[in-house]
Amino acid sequence: TQLLEQSPQFLSIQEGENLTVYCNSSSVFSSLQWYRQEPGEGPVLLVTVVTGGEVKKLKRLTFQFGDARKDSSLHITAAQPGDTGLYLCAEKSEFYFGTGTSLTVIP
Amino acid sequence: GAGVSQSPSNKVTEKGKDVELRCDPISGHTALYWYRQSLGQGLEFLIYFQGNSAPDKSGLPSDRFSAERTGGSVSTLTIQRTQQEDSAVYLCASSLDPAYGYTFGSGTRLTVV
Repeated sequence: TQLLEQSPQFLSIQEGENLTVYCNSSSVFSSLQWYRQEPGEGPVLLVTVVTGGEVKKLKRLTFQFGDARKDSSLHITAAQPGDTGLYLCAEKSEFYFGTGTSLTVIP
Repeated sequence: GAGVSQSPSNKVTEKGKDVELRCDPISGHTALYWYRQSLGQGLEFLIYFQGNSAPDKSGLPSDRFSAERTGGSVSTLTIQRTQQEDSAVYLCASSLDPAYGYTFGSGTRLTVV
């Protein structure tokens, strides 16, 4: 079973600040997905990264896949209260999700 | 349907009672997944269906938990003799192809008192 560890577990920042959260695996990902879950809802897919070294941008969110495909990061620029939620990474075809990073952006 | 539908949205039950949780996936999605999420925590994988068969039941925490899927569509997760530690949000997801990600329902919040 692939272990997906995310850090930090909790993060509370002021509106306008930048932040980075991480997802690390005990083995190589075939590909990796990032999800965001808002309170009372199910997770929603943000992005899929496939190639080592790949960088994808989604508005103020930048996703990077490590060269060795064992780690990934999500960077948010100028965080807004609407970014608040639980951020989860998942290996595409293994059904398993990471432990999650709970982000709170304070207005 | 347009999305994954779960019912009930909330369920309060007494310890020792049986409960059934229902998931109605997106039409045409052949894969269906059940997860459990404790407050503020990540997702714990329970079971996966491909069509009506469940090739991976490894996540079911005990023999009190069972799930079935009929007609390649609706799935029911049954918890027998509920315990307080079963209290959690139970999430269902469906997928046509994992490459396109999973589409989740809003979950059933189960509280065992």
